[in-house]
Amino acid sequence: QVHLVQSGGDVKKPGASVKVSCKASGYTFTTYVITWVRQAPGQGLEWMGWISPYNGNTKYTQKLQGRVTMTTDTSTSTAYMELRSLRSDDAAVYFCARSRGDGVVPAAIFDYWGQGTLVTVSS
Amino acid sequence: QSVLSQPPSASGTPGQRVTISCSGSTSNIGSNTVNWYQQLPATAPKLLIYRNNQRPSGVPDRFSGSKSGTSASLAISGLQSEDEADYYCATWDDSLDGGEVFGGGTKVSVL
Repeated sequence: QVHLVQSGGDVKKPGASVKVSCKASGYTFTTYVITWVRQAPGQGLEWMGWISPYNGNTKYTQKLQGRVTMTTDTSTSTAYMELRSLRSDDAAVYFCARSRGDGVVPAAIFDYWGQGTLVTVSS
Repeated sequence: QSVLSQPPSASGTPGQRVTISCSGSTSNIGSNTVNWYQQLPATAPKLLIYRNNQRPSGVPDRFSGSKSGTSASLAISGLQSEDEADYYCATWDDSLDGGEVFGGGTKVSVL
């Protein structure tokens, strides 16, 4: 069965960086895109972007361009999301999700999700 | 302010039918299929409906989805207490930046 297990919560100061991991199992890691979604406290879901473990292609939301980097390590079937220059409004639960394509959209359907990683930003 | 518009709340008694709307535009719902996610309290979202009206294995058939033009809807028939959750619609947006967009979420309460 498919599982995505994320790293534990973290507390960071404003201006610092955080790197969240997402270890996949139960399927061939390189055949599905990994999408990252975040959810601020009491708020809705916000798409951050995706990465293809097959070729390393990425697409990020314009809002986070320049501050976010998504990578994968195919040897350990793990995806990573690094967010730099943290601000208070980056405080959120960060989710990774296995993603299937739909037509021309390479990562349209998020069929399995990690458990979420709480990132707290506080001085 | 979410790109897709959903009512913030909906409610019903056990056994009733509840419908949640999701309104978008030609660049998102009008051009791409819609997916729905269910998020139970303090848990990760779960795929509920994909490609407008398809149910993943294990999702009860009392959940159904539809799409028409730039709007979509999720219906829950035979409402049960365990359906109390937040529901999000989502689709790809073909606008200049491009990206997945979500509705603001609808909290379903079972009275």
